[in-house]
Formats: sequence, structure tokens, C-alpha cells
Amino acid sequence: EAGVTQFPSHSVIEKGQTVTLRCDPISGHDNLYWYRRVMGKEIKFLLHFVKESKQDESGMPNNRFLAERTGGTYSTLKVQPAELEDSGVYFCASSQIRHFGYTFGSGTRLTVV
Amino acid sequence: GESVGLHLPTLSVQEGDNSIINCAYSNSASDYFIWYKQESGKGPQFIIDIRSNMDKRQGQRVTVLLNKTVKHLSLQIAATQPGDSAVYFCAEIDQTGANNLFFGTGTRLTVIP
Repeated sequence: EAGVTQFPSHSVIEKGQTVTLRCDPISGHDNLYWYRRVMGKEIKFLLHFVKESKQDESGMPNNRFLAERTGGTYSTLKVQPAELEDSGVYFCASSQIRHFGYTFGSGTRLTVV
Repeated sequence: GESVGLHLPTLSVQEGDNSIINCAYSNSASDYFIWYKQESGKGPQFIIDIRSNMDKRQGQRVTVLLNKTVKHLSLQIAATQPGDSAVYFCAEIDQTGANNLFFGTGTRLTVIP
């Protein structure tokens, strides 16, 4: 079984630019979650999709972040325009059952300079 | 919001010794707890979990202890090996509520050969 796949693994962009992160969950997993770890701090929840619907986006920092999951398969997280404080590692996870059995991807390390 | 914290950000142990990683949580409604291991360049990997109706659970070389009275969680690793070197996160969730998985800051475990 393929795991959760994230692209790119690393991204370095300038402040003000746009970056789009992608997550391919495990096939059949309706639940998809985005998390972020800012350097040295805890891993924080961003949002949760059930299929194509946003179940909970209470963790999204501001309106510069836009997450989509068209068709209920892969998801994208766009940051526009990127700011320095957006730097961190963005993790995606998926699960078959809500809030149980999470499988995480390897993450995308985003550096905004 | 809920707070999941760790007592020590770093821990160094001699190979073959036992390791104990501690975690405190503040949400008394949390009913499910998970320990994750994150190696460099990888996402969090599930180690062991425990439900709030239990106070101890054992896996292969790992044991999780839960003390609901003082809201404390610990991970014990027996006969620590170099491959155990990683950052360890505890996470909590209130599965009956609308919350998502909340992580602590993490403890970096270094195994000295």
C-alpha cells in the first residue's frame, strides 16, 4: 500500500511569492489533514477534509492560506503571498476513520527568504 | 485551546539503557493518546497509542503509561538502540468532541553508542 505522498519535499521561495504544496493521501482515505511545524515548536493542526469538504479549518493562520481537495482525492495548500513566518514543515496525514489511524507524509519543508 | 507539553526538550541516553519520555496534557476530555516518532526527513510515525480507560499499554520494547489524575503520559523505551534516535511527540485527542489531534513540542532523543 502506498503511503501519503507530499510534493515538493523542499521549497525555498522569496517573501511575497506563491507556493503550492500537494498531498496525495492513501487511496480510499476520506479524511485528509494538514499540519504545520514551525521550527522548534509543536506540530499544529491547520485543517481537516472529509472527502472534498472542509470539515474543520480552524487552524488556518490567515487568508493567505488556501486549501483545496477537488474530487476528494489529492489536496493542495497554497500560500499567497508567502511571509517569513510561514517557514516550517508542512505535514499531510490521512485516515480511513475520522481521528483514528493517521498516516503522515514526509512533509514539505518550506523556507521563505 | 488544549495544551500538550513535554517536560524535557532533549534526552541523551546510553545505548542499552532504558529511556523515559514524559508528556503533560491539559484537556481532561482527551480520551485517546498517541506517541509518534519523527526521524529526520520523515513524517511522524505511529509508535503506540492508549485510550483513557487504560493506564498502561505495552508494545515491542515500548510501554505507554497514562496517569489521568495528573494528566501525564510517558513513553518508556527498553534497551534503547541507536535507531531510536529521533524526535518523539505525544498527541492527544478528544474523539467524542469536535477537536483534532493536538501535538506537544517534542523531545529529541539521542542514543549514545
